[in-house]
Amino acid sequence: DTGVSQDPRHKITKRGQNVTFRCDPISEHNRLYWYRQTLGQGPEFLTYFQNEAQLEKSRLLSDRFSAERPKGSFSTLEIQRTEQGDSAMYLCASSLATGTGLVEQFFGPGTRLTVL
Amino acid sequence: RKEVEQDPGPFNVPEGATVAFNCTYSNSASQSFFWYRQDCRKEPKLLMSVYSSGNEDGRFTAQLNRASQYISLLIRDSKLSDSATYLCVVNGKRFGAGTRLTVKP
Repeated sequence: DTGVSQDPRHKITKRGQNVTFRCDPISEHNRLYWYRQTLGQGPEFLTYFQNEAQLEKSRLLSDRFSAERPKGSFSTLEIQRTEQGDSAMYLCASSLATGTGLVEQFFGPGTRLTVL
Repeated sequence: RKEVEQDPGPFNVPEGATVAFNCTYSNSASQSFFWYRQDCRKEPKLLMSVYSSGNEDGRFTAQLNRASQYISLLIRDSKLSDSATYLCVVNGKRFGAGTRLTVKP
């Protein structure tokens, strides 16, 4: 399967613990996005990378969230000191940025986080 | 005001019906627009891009109205398989909350 993959698919943790999620984008894609989605809502933008550079981070993202894409390939999203409000589906997407401005994103299956 | 707002739905329509969704956006400088489809418990998938002149793909027609800052999606001859949540996306990163469509026999 050459699509976007995410690991783990499900994560249950206790409040206050740290969690880390991984995303492997489609291999030739230079952009990678992280979103959070809760029931009945659309994906909420968290951050995105072009190659290894983090170009934008949502103002809604607290300091407990950090993301990296060290070699411009896979990315990790870490949430420190998890809270029950962090429970959501975390989606990763990748795209190939071109000069046209119209760029399709391909989404991974998501990591469902439950904070007890 | 949210950056991207959609018709709240849900829309429940019979097979064969024509249904239209609208999506308004607040940033007048927005450049790119898409419609995605999301099935229950699945990831979003691109349905179609939205071009300035409007575009059609089979039973689906997308239009952009820059003056009023909205995009629309028209589905003709609805099929049972069209049942899903339809998400509009502005500037590649700003998603609407989605409109749920259920097509009934």
